[in-house]
Amino acid sequence: AQSVAQPEDQVNVAEGNPLTVKCTYSVSGNPYLFWYVQYPNRGLQFLLKYITGDNLVKGSYGFEAEFNKSQTSFHLKKPSALVSDSALYFCAVRASGSARQLTFGSGTQLTVLP
Amino acid sequence: EAQVTQNPRYLITVTGKKLTVTCSQNMNHEYMSWYRQDPGLGLRQIYYSMNVEVTDKGDVPEGYKVSRKEKRNFPLILESPSPNQTSLYFCASSFYNGDTQYFGPGTRLTVL
Repeated sequence: AQSVAQPEDQVNVAEGNPLTVKCTYSVSGNPYLFWYVQYPNRGLQFLLKYITGDNLVKGSYGFEAEFNKSQTSFHLKKPSALVSDSALYFCAVRASGSARQLTFGSGTQLTVLP
Repeated sequence: EAQVTQNPRYLITVTGKKLTVTCSQNMNHEYMSWYRQDPGLGLRQIYYSMNVEVTDKGDVPEGYKVSRKEKRNFPLILESPSPNQTSLYFCASSFYNGDTQYFGPGTRLTVL
């Protein structure tokens, strides 16, 4: 079975400071990893994904994520946070095999303080 | 505009009264999926479909049914809703590999 852990329910950061939202995963075989963002009263929006290749993945709105196979982690990062980044962030994983079942973490609420 | 639509957006019903939540996408996506979102639990997959007439169970399929008779539509059916199915439901679609998923706006269901 595959699983995702987001150990922090809430992350607060000051505007202009770097931010990190943590994610660890468990999956059989090679992982495909994703980050999605949910703004209030909206559906989820895709941010970025890791399939293969460079361990540092760049995505939308200046976000990036680093795949670390030995630590089974895929932390989301941004060098300089904006108030508008405040939202609920979800990490997701699926195995690289034929199944297409995507497993999401419980989500991390990011609040960027002005 | 490329989008996933869900109807209704809000629904209050009573235990045991059959209901259907519709989902439609206009992007010619093969893959479609239903999730429920509950506080502290994140999104949990209910059912997914790789293509027309191909459906499979996700993590929490009990109490739900789906069908995929047309590529664009993937309705979620609750034959006999119960209060523990009160939740926020999202439909999503993507191309065949199920990776970059596009989500609908959500349906907030309350079962009394």
